[in-house]
Amino acid sequence: DVKVTQSSRYLVKRTGEKVFLECVQDMDHENMFWYRQDPGLGLRLIYFSYDVKMKEKGDIPEGYSVSREKKERFSLILESASTNQTSMYLCASKLDPTSGRFHEQFFGPGTRLTVL
Amino acid sequence: AQSVTQLDSHVSVSEGTPVLLRCNYSSSYSPSLFWYVQHPNKGLQLLLKYTSAATLVKGINGFEAEFKKSETSFHLTKPSAHMSDAAEYFCVVRGGYSTLTFGKGTMLLVSP
Repeated sequence: DVKVTQSSRYLVKRTGEKVFLECVQDMDHENMFWYRQDPGLGLRLIYFSYDVKMKEKGDIPEGYSVSREKKERFSLILESASTNQTSMYLCASKLDPTSGRFHEQFFGPGTRLTVL
Repeated sequence: AQSVTQLDSHVSVSEGTPVLLRCNYSSSYSPSLFWYVQHPNKGLQLLLKYTSAATLVKGINGFEAEFKKSETSFHLTKPSAHMSDAAEYFCVVRGGYSTLTFGKGTMLLVSP
């Protein structure tokens, strides 16, 4: 089974703090994604990476950055956390488009971040 | 750009009655469409996917969806609801770079 793990289930930070959310997958997937989930808004794509050291902006990248130094790990960084970044953050991974199951993304359990 | 619209934010059914969750899509090319489910405090799980093969797609737990190009719809159905079906359901369309665009979700409530 594909396993996508996230470093914390719950996190509380203060406004202005630098926040790191970590995501690790164990299936050698090339593509990784970060979303935030808010009630009534569904999931919105923040950033994604299709290979090591590669990154692309999603629909709502403002206030976030990412890092992909190793294939299995994809980090989301909030440079200076703000209260409007209180949300559920979900990481996902999938195989490269050239594989047979290229459309399915596998999701981690999520990190619920509260910024006070 | 691709987008999906889930027409109901909440759907309530009684156990044993049919389920219909509605989704319309917009895509400039032949779309790949998905339904994901999220149970309370659980991760997202793929229910089913349409990738230009058969228009009637069967998924897990008795769910199925029909792709109708003329109506730009991809509605999710199940003949008989079970209490364990209570969850939030997301209609999703594939975008560029194999990204996914999610609808805003439909909460399915199942009463005894």
